[in-house]
Amino acid sequence: AQTVTQSQPEMSVQEAETVTLSCTYDTSESNYYLFWYKQPPSRQMILVIRQEAYKQQNATENRFSVNFQKAAKSFSLKISDSQLGDTAMYFCAFISQGGSEKLVFGKGTKLTVNP
Amino acid sequence: DTGVSQDPRHKITKRGQNVTFRCDPISEHNRLYWYRQTLGQGPEFLTYFQNEAQLEKSRLLSDRFSAERPKGSFSTLEIQRTEQGDSAMYLCASSLVAGAGSPLHFGNGTRLTVT
Repeated sequence: AQTVTQSQPEMSVQEAETVTLSCTYDTSESNYYLFWYKQPPSRQMILVIRQEAYKQQNATENRFSVNFQKAAKSFSLKISDSQLGDTAMYFCAFISQGGSEKLVFGKGTKLTVNP
Repeated sequence: DTGVSQDPRHKITKRGQNVTFRCDPISEHNRLYWYRQTLGQGPEFLTYFQNEAQLEKSRLLSDRFSAERPKGSFSTLEIQRTEQGDSAMYLCASSLVAGAGSPLHFGNGTRLTVT
C-alpha cells in the first residue's frame, strides 16, 4: 500500500520569504502522480501543483515549485515570496496510474505566514 | 462552474441516530469521491463512483455506511447508528475521467458531530 509522510506538522515563515515543505512517499509503482493541495482555514481544499512521475522536469506554478526526486521518493514544495494568503494546511498526495484510483494524503503541514 | 456543493455544512446528532449527507459535483464531472478528515489528519478515502457505479470502497466504510449516486449526478452518504468515532469532516470531491492525474475538486465538507 502506498503511504505519504509529511514530517513537519507545523512551519512558519515571514512574509516575502521562501519556505520549503517536505514530503516523502512509499510505493512500488513506477507510474504515478503527486500533488500538493492547500486547505485554508475553514475553506475548501484546492490544488496547488501536480507532478507526473515520468516527467523529470520539476513542476512550477507561479510562486510554487516542487523538487521531485523519484529515486529518493521525495516531493517537496517550495513557496517563494510567501504571502499572508498562503497561510493554510498543505497536504501532499499520491495516486498511482492504472492501479487504485484513490488519492492518498499525508497528514499535512500547517503553514503560517507572519507579517 | 459552480463548484462542488455539500449539504449540510454542519450536522450535530445524537449517538445511534442516522444521518445523510448530500454532494452535488461539478456538472460535467463523472467521478465522485467521498473522504473523511479528522482533526489533525489528512483526508482518508472512503469510496468513489464513476457515473452511477461505485468502483471502490475503503475498509473504513463499515456496514453502517452506505453511499449512492443513483443517476450519476449527486451523491448521498448515509451513516446508520452513528457513533462518537464518526465525528469528522466528510469531504466530497469530483473530477473528470481523464486519467489518474485529473485533479480533484473538493467541496467545503460536512462537519459531523456525534454527541
